[in-house]
Amino acid sequence: EAGVAQSPRYKIIEKRQSVAFWCNPISGHATLYWYQQILGQGPKLLIQFQNNGVVDDSQLPKDRFSAERLKGVDSTLKIQPAKLEDSAVYLCASSLVPGGHGYTFGSGTRLTVV
Amino acid sequence: QKEVEQNSGPLSVPEGAIASLNCTYSDRGSQSFFWYRQYSGKSPELIMFIYSNGDKEDGRFTAQLNKASQYVSLLIRDSQPSDSATYLCAVKGGNTPLVFGKGTRLSVIA
Repeated sequence: EAGVAQSPRYKIIEKRQSVAFWCNPISGHATLYWYQQILGQGPKLLIQFQNNGVVDDSQLPKDRFSAERLKGVDSTLKIQPAKLEDSAVYLCASSLVPGGHGYTFGSGTRLTVV
Repeated sequence: QKEVEQNSGPLSVPEGAIASLNCTYSDRGSQSFFWYRQYSGKSPELIMFIYSNGDKEDGRFTAQLNKASQYVSLLIRDSQPSDSATYLCAVKGGNTPLVFGKGTRLSVIA
């Protein structure tokens, strides 16, 4: 089975610019997550989708971050405008069901804001 | 706010020894407990999960859970240099998302 696909792998932008990340989950996985992992820390949930609906976005900085999962398959996470503290790895994960044990993570997008 | 606490390390053990990694969590309603391994520059990969009090063994790995003490541990027997990585403890309750600790960096010295 193909894994979780993410792109781009790396991105460098200047502060105040905008950026978008893309994720394609494992086929058939209804639940999709975006996590932010700052260097030296564990992943922190930004948003959880169930099909094309948002289940949990309580930790998403909504003044600058947005995410969508049109048609309940692939998803896009956007940051506009970016700040220096947004430098992190953005990990997408999917699971078959919300309570499924463990997630499968994509390879992540490493964002550097300068 | 649910919290998962881990000692950041580094934890250094000689090759062939037992590595013991520990984790505590704040939410008594947590139901499922996971250990992920993350190599530098890579994404986390699931190595163990445990739901019930007691021990669960898988090859060289043993996960231990004590819900009364809100404590989870991972033992790695016969540690190898290839086990050198950051180990992330993660906790969830029901259909809620995984909450991760900061991870413990393990270094196995040949």
